Amino acid sequence: DQQVKQNSPSLSVQEGRISILNCDYTNSMFDYFLWYKKYPAEGPTFLISISSIKDKNEDGRFTVFLNKSAKHLSLHIVPSQPGDSAVYFCAASEGTPDSWGKLQFGAGTQVVVTP
Amino acid sequence: DVKVTQSSRYLVKRTGEKVFLECVQDMDHENMFWYRQDPGLGLRLIYFSYDVKMKEKGDIPEGYSVSREKKERFSLILESASTNQTSMYLCASSPALDEQYFGPGTRLTVT
Repeated sequence: DQQVKQNSPSLSVQEGRISILNCDYTNSMFDYFLWYKKYPAEGPTFLISISSIKDKNEDGRFTVFLNKSAKHLSLHIVPSQPGDSAVYFCAASEGTPDSWGKLQFGAGTQVVVTP
Repeated sequence: DVKVTQSSRYLVKRTGEKVFLECVQDMDHENMFWYRQDPGLGLRLIYFSYDVKMKEKGDIPEGYSVSREKKERFSLILESASTNQTSMYLCASSPALDEQYFGPGTRLTVT
């Protein structure tokens, strides 16, 4: 059973508007969360992360919000640009030495930014 | 810039063949990982290694084995390929408990 869920397989948004991607998790031991972006025929690339001691992390146009009580995180992209069209994966880790950096990934959300 | 390279972008093999997928990273990272990516399932961890000659099973190790003889190289082996192993295979490396750096992937088709 998947411990990290991205329930929206796709999202279409107009250029300049906000993209909001959602991610839910079931494992209460997760305490480090990451978002990856993947273009076709390329490997995923790291986008932004957040530790469980924070509820928000910002990097330029990208902001990740974490709600630990709801086991929910979201990625906001403002403003959306055509180059943001990609598949976005949410990932989580228990963040302990024993976990050796193992990540659990969601199924991904395909974002299409239209002009 | 971290570079993770994979030996093939596309590979077609027959059922029952032994398949080797090679991965090399140039940043002296301790940890290396093999995933497969399937539609609707995201990335699933097959095996990982946190040191030379060390390996740990991931979530779906059945039908696969790995080898790490040198720090920079991590190989995934399909002992007897089957059609349900048709997938995109992604290798990654990381320095510690940190973000992982991925290779471009190998699209394997088993006929």
